[in-house]
Formats: sequence, structure tokens, C-alpha cells
Amino acid sequence: DAKTTQPPSMDCAEGRAANLPCNHSTISGNEYVYWYRQIHSQGPQYIIHGLKNNETNEMASLIITEDRKSSTLILPHATLRDTAVYYCIVSAGGTSYGKLTFGQGTILTVHP
Amino acid sequence: GAGVSQSPRYKVAKRGQDVALRCDPISGHVSLFWYQQALGQGPEFLTYFQNEAQLDKSGLPSDRFFAERPEGSVSTLKIQRTQQEDSAVYLCASSLAPGQSSYNSPLHFGNGTRLTVT
Repeated sequence: DAKTTQPPSMDCAEGRAANLPCNHSTISGNEYVYWYRQIHSQGPQYIIHGLKNNETNEMASLIITEDRKSSTLILPHATLRDTAVYYCIVSAGGTSYGKLTFGQGTILTVHP
Repeated sequence: GAGVSQSPRYKVAKRGQDVALRCDPISGHVSLFWYQQALGQGPEFLTYFQNEAQLDKSGLPSDRFFAERPEGSVSTLKIQRTQQEDSAVYLCASSLAPGQSSYNSPLHFGNGTRLTVT
């Protein structure tokens, strides 16, 4: 699976949009971009995933650049409960049967 | 409950003891994964089951680690002769789809078992 690079930490004011970047310049054509987050003392929680088109669900939006070498996770209106470690993961899905390689992630702190 | 359940939540073992960690996946989920998470690190893959078959155990750190899922539902991760370096949070995850269609089937994680070896 391709390697990802994320900033170690970011801050965001409550109510504002949180934009979390991820670089995955070696991504292959069959690899998906997944985002998970982990709130303290809990297991990781799935947020969203995509292949090449932008995706949106009730939690977040995922913007993938046209060359697919980077992506941005957007939390449109961050709340204090969004404080967590956010992991950007690239995986081929299919043949790797959902086996995920987590990196260090980005610690997002949402301030009042 | 609808989520993945793990027990015990916390386990303290003396070095050399054997431990068994239990995972109850979401009912009907075909795929089951075990991950190990050291303090301050991201989770690392240990092993994968599709129903009762263990298809990948490449992440198990030594032959002291053993996992099973005999009836394709509940799984147990056993660690024999525990060492201090085994101290970590052990996470279990399940997903609905089997391997080939897993890209659209997100992993659902439990809250883990925190193992401390003294």
C-alpha cells in the first residue's frame, strides 16, 4: 500500500471548518483513500473513503486532487467532540481485504 | 448492542502468564481483524479471518501469539508467556464483506483491551 504523509497536529475553532490534508504521491490506480479517526480511549471510527471522485456523507467531505496525489478531509462545522487523531490511509481494498496500514495521523484539537 | 464488543477492557498480567482476549464482532460480519496499538502509535495489523478461516497472520509478532475464530463469529487472541513488550491496546474490527469487495465495507472497531504486562 502507498505511504501517506499528514501533519502531526492541527488546531481548529469550534464551528469553523477543519481541513485536514494528506499526501499520497505514490498512490496506485486501484488504491482507495480512507479516513478514520480515533477519539481518546476508543477504537478507530470510519469516516469516509473515495477513489477519485469527491465524496460527501453525514460526517465529512473528501476532496481528492485530479492527479490523486493528495486529498483533504473537511469537517464543515467542527465541534469539541471532533477532537481526535485523524488517519489517512491508502489501501487497495480488494486483494488486501480491508487490511489497513495506519500511520501516525493528525491530532486535531478543536478549541471553544 | 450493535457494535464490536471486546473483553476484558483492561488486563494486567505478570510476565510469563498466558492471556486470552475476546472479541464479539457485529452479527453477520464475515471479516474479522486484530490490531495492536502501542502507546502513541497507530494501530498495526496482526491477523485476518474470513469466517472461520485465518487467511493472514503475517502481522503476529511471534509464535507466542495465536488467534482463532472456530465458528466464524467470536474470536480469541491468545498470548502465551507474556513479555513487557506485549503491553499495548489490542483492537478487534469486523466488516460485512469478504475480501474481494471489502473496499466498500468499512471496518468497525471495538474499544480494545488494554494489556499491561508487569
